[in-house]
Amino acid sequence: DAGVIQSPRHEVTEMGQEVTLRCKPISGHDYLFWYRQTMMRGLELLIYFNNNVPIDDSGMPEDRFSAKMPNASFSTLKIQPSEPRDSAVYFCASSNRGITQYFGPGTRLTVL
Amino acid sequence: QQPVQSPQAVILREGEDAVINCSSSKALYSVHWYRQKHGEAPVFLMILLKGGEQKGHDKISASFNEKKQQSSLYLTASQLSYSGTYFCGTEFSNSGYALNFGKGTSLLVTP
Repeated sequence: DAGVIQSPRHEVTEMGQEVTLRCKPISGHDYLFWYRQTMMRGLELLIYFNNNVPIDDSGMPEDRFSAKMPNASFSTLKIQPSEPRDSAVYFCASSNRGITQYFGPGTRLTVL
Repeated sequence: QQPVQSPQAVILREGEDAVINCSSSKALYSVHWYRQKHGEAPVFLMILLKGGEQKGHDKISASFNEKKQQSSLYLTASQLSYSGTYFCGTEFSNSGYALNFGKGTSLLVTP
């Protein structure tokens, strides 16, 4: 059974460029979470969805960040325009009824 | 509202025990424990719901003191495979399932 799939695994971009991170949750899971991990701030919840509907986006740092979940098997996190301080590892996680969260391998984003 | 973990780091010899604490300033509904190895994703260990229960998983167990708003993770007879960063994630209510993670405790087990 495939776990959470994220792409790309690594992304290097220049300041001002648009970045799109992708996530495919585990089939049958109804919750999807986006996290950002940095040394300074640890693991931060950015936004989460239940049945494709955004429930809480209070963790999204700025309007430059947006997330969508057009269907149960796909979600995107977009940063436009990107800044060097956005450099981090971005994790997507999914769960069944929100209990145990299964994390994807993460996308390491570097903004130059 | 980020929970506070202590210690920040610990080094053990194989076979020794360790305790990792997680404290919250706000009343908790549940505490989730995860372990993350370097360069990998966090992996779920266990969940504790309010009620002061204690859970065990092989030689790793945890307790949850609702009144003190804290949880402790106990690692006994540590193995090399226990090395990694341990995170507690706290949930404040029985809805939404949003977790606030602590900054983590780095554990290194040496031979």
